[in-house]
Amino acid sequence: AQSVTQLDSHVSVSEGTPVLLRCNYSSSYSPSLFWYVQHPNKGLQLLLKYTSAATLVKGINGFEAEFKKSETSFHLTKPSAHMSDAAEYFCVVSGFKAAGNKLTFGGGTRVLVKP
Amino acid sequence: DADVTQTPRNRITKTGKRIMLECSQTKGHDRMYWYRQDPGLGLRLIYYSFDVKDINKGEISDGYSVSRQAQAKFSLSLESAIPNQTALYFCATGTAGTDTQYFGPGTRLTVL
Repeated sequence: AQSVTQLDSHVSVSEGTPVLLRCNYSSSYSPSLFWYVQHPNKGLQLLLKYTSAATLVKGINGFEAEFKKSETSFHLTKPSAHMSDAAEYFCVVSGFKAAGNKLTFGGGTRVLVKP
Repeated sequence: DADVTQTPRNRITKTGKRIMLECSQTKGHDRMYWYRQDPGLGLRLIYYSFDVKDINKGEISDGYSVSRQAQAKFSLSLESAIPNQTALYFCATGTAGTDTQYFGPGTRLTVL
């Protein structure tokens, strides 16, 4: 079985300051990990994906995430928040390939960016 | 992503009504998925299909049924809608070669 815990349901940052979204996962094998973003009234957009090639993964819009196996974490960061980063972010783990690579989602973190 | 479309985008219905949500894709993907999103719970898998003849239940399939009419079309039905099925519904596509999924814009369903 696998699970994902996003440690903060809401994060508030000021524009131009760093953003940190925390994610811990549980999996019986080496999973693929994702971060997706959902802007208001929009679908989900893939930010980045970890597949064991490198522990630091760079995504779109200046985001990056670091995979730490010892801590079972996959935290998402951005050095400088922009107003357009206001959205909900989901940490996702992919299931075992033989089971169809089903995705398990965290509960989401809603980011508010203050001017 | 315009490659995955969902209709309708918004729907209000009454308890006991039958409703169908439709998903179409032009990505050429063989796999399609239906999820529902509830606040604080992320997305949960309802049904998934690896090809036209392969349909599987997800973690919350009770009260739902699906139809894979073609490789590009995957419909979700609520035979008798109930208020706790009020949610945002997403369709997604994928392929056997990767675990990345591509999501449609969602359908907001309200059951009164």
